[in-house]
Parts: sequence; C-alpha cells; structure tokens
Amino acid sequence: QQQVKQSPQSLIVQKGGISIINCAYENTAFDYFPWYQQFPGKGPALLIAIRPDVSEKKEGRFTISFNKSAKQFSLHIMDSQPGDSATYFCAARLYTSGTYKYIFGTGTRLKVLA
Amino acid sequence: DAGITQSPRHKVTETGTPVTLRCHQTENHRYMYWYRQDPGHGLRLIHYSYGVKDTDKGEVSDGYSVSRSKTEDFLLTLESATSSQTSVYFCAISESVLAVNEQFFGPGTRLTVL
Repeated sequence: QQQVKQSPQSLIVQKGGISIINCAYENTAFDYFPWYQQFPGKGPALLIAIRPDVSEKKEGRFTISFNKSAKQFSLHIMDSQPGDSATYFCAARLYTSGTYKYIFGTGTRLKVLA
Repeated sequence: DAGITQSPRHKVTETGTPVTLRCHQTENHRYMYWYRQDPGHGLRLIHYSYGVKDTDKGEVSDGYSVSRSKTEDFLLTLESATSSQTSVYFCAISESVLAVNEQFFGPGTRLTVL
C-alpha cells in the first residue's frame, strides 16, 4: 500500500515534443507529491511538487496534473529539450513514526532527441 | 548539492568487510536520510535520523547501521558487506516537518562489493 508505481520505464521524445510520465499510488495518507530530476553521476534534485488539494501546478515547461479520485499524478514536460534528458522520479510523502518519509517510484529515463 | 558532501565518492571492497559511508551537511538541517538506488527499484530508504542520536529504520535496513553524534554528520555502516549491497548510496537532508520539508540530496557514493 506504500508503493508508488511509475511508468514508463523509459521514454524517447523528439525535441519540441511533450514528455509524459505517470505515477499511481494507493495510500490516501500521502500528503505531498514531488518530482525529482537526476542527471548521470548526480543526486536527485527537486523539480516540481504538488499537494493533493490542487489539481494542477505549472512551473515553466513543467506541469504536474493530479487526480485525487484516481490516485494518479503525472509530469508533463512541454517543448522537451535535449537538456531535459535525465531520469525522473515521482515520490509521495507520508508522515509516520514522528517524521516524514518519502516513497519513490522506480524512475523513468527520458531521452530527448535533437 | 545544498551543502551536502558524501565520502568516499567511490569505493570497492570485498565481501565480509565492514564499510562506513559518511554524509556531512553544512545546512544545520534536523532530518537526515540514507537511501540506496538500484536499477528498477528507484530510491529506497535505509535509515533516517530526526535528531542527534535519534535514528530509525527504513524499508531496507537489514545489514546496515547508522550513527549520528553531531547534527552535521550521519554515518552509514555496512557491518559485513555483501554483493547485494553493491549500489549507489545517497544521503538526503530536510528541515522542518511543518514546512514543505523538501529533501536535498548529496552527490552519492558508488559502492562495489566483490
């Protein structure tokens, strides 16, 4: 019940196209849903995040869509660029045992072709 | 990487030997986390700390122990390394449970157990 399922595992998109990565969860106690971007050899970095009381959040070319009833959320990258090529992780936060813990999806490797 | 360093950055060791990884932060954040990252598994929580000398187990804690004697340092010890512990290890920090509680990740340590 604490899993976060992420798809697809890998994604190839043409420059200028839209990249879409999906995540699904079961535990309704999750209260915060961040997306992380990771470049090779680096640690994950927060990209954008959303709370479950909001259906959409946009920051530049990156948008999170959140469907609370379906327990799904997705990352949309508009006008995808070669520099967006990275691994993306969704995550969900849970408050338990006196602290916040994050459950991560398995990651999506995005390649944007020039 | 938000004032987080990990050492060593790379290590090769043999099965059965003890190994200690260090995470050092200059942000004075209260919460510190150790994750391991493996293909197909995303990031999995090993142990976390919610204050000096206050630690608890994550989802994959078997074979690992941690210590935190100072706010800035969080040590991860593999008591007797096994090949299944070959992985990339990330330390993360975060601040208040009342705020957004964003996690910042270190650069990672690549550990190979032969």
